[in-house]
Amino acid sequence: GENVEQHPSTLSVQEGDSAVIKCTYSDSASNYFPWYKQELGKRPQLIIDIRSNVGEKKDQRIAVTLNKTAKHFSLHITETQPEDSAVYFCAASSGGGADGLTFGKGTHLIIQP
Amino acid sequence: IAGITQAPTSQILAAGRRMTLRCTQDMRHNAMYWYRQDLGLGLRLIHYSNTAGTTGKGEVPDGYSVSRANTDDFPLTLASAVPSQTSVYFCASTASAGGGTQYFGPGTRLTVL
Repeated sequence: GENVEQHPSTLSVQEGDSAVIKCTYSDSASNYFPWYKQELGKRPQLIIDIRSNVGEKKDQRIAVTLNKTAKHFSLHITETQPEDSAVYFCAASSGGGADGLTFGKGTHLIIQP
Repeated sequence: IAGITQAPTSQILAAGRRMTLRCTQDMRHNAMYWYRQDLGLGLRLIHYSNTAGTTGKGEVPDGYSVSRANTDDFPLTLASAVPSQTSVYFCASTASAGGGTQYFGPGTRLTVL
């Protein structure tokens, strides 16, 4: 089955700086890669996703890049703000996620004022 | 419109007892999923259902069963709870049986003593 590795487990950045979280996956058939943000005590919420036919996708301060050859994808957050502090999870799936997602173990992002 | 609801919010259960976690969505989504979230392990898929009447096993199905009698409801049953099933359980749904954005419920915190 799929295996997703996520790094780092904790990331502390100064407010206004950029943050990068990286994930690798094992199943070359994976074609759907979402990123979720989870605040303490809350449910995970989708912030951005990318499919395997696209190399990069941007949404305001958030971008995701995908390298299918190397089987890794990354989340980039620019101009970080205090409200970006949360745990971020990457995930991967074949079949567009129809049979569920395999998640990484999460990155705790801390924005220092 | 409530989206996805889960019940109960939290529960303390004696080992060996039977427990059913409820999940209901009013979005007419075709696919539904159950995940468990444990500290340091991220979210792991227990069972899923692409459409009413069908179910499938995820990464950690042992000790759990599901049914999908209709589109809206996807209950998760622990036949005989064990302490290792102490976790936060999230239900999720997707509009299409072919995958896409997963929307999560608020979660159920279950403690098995």
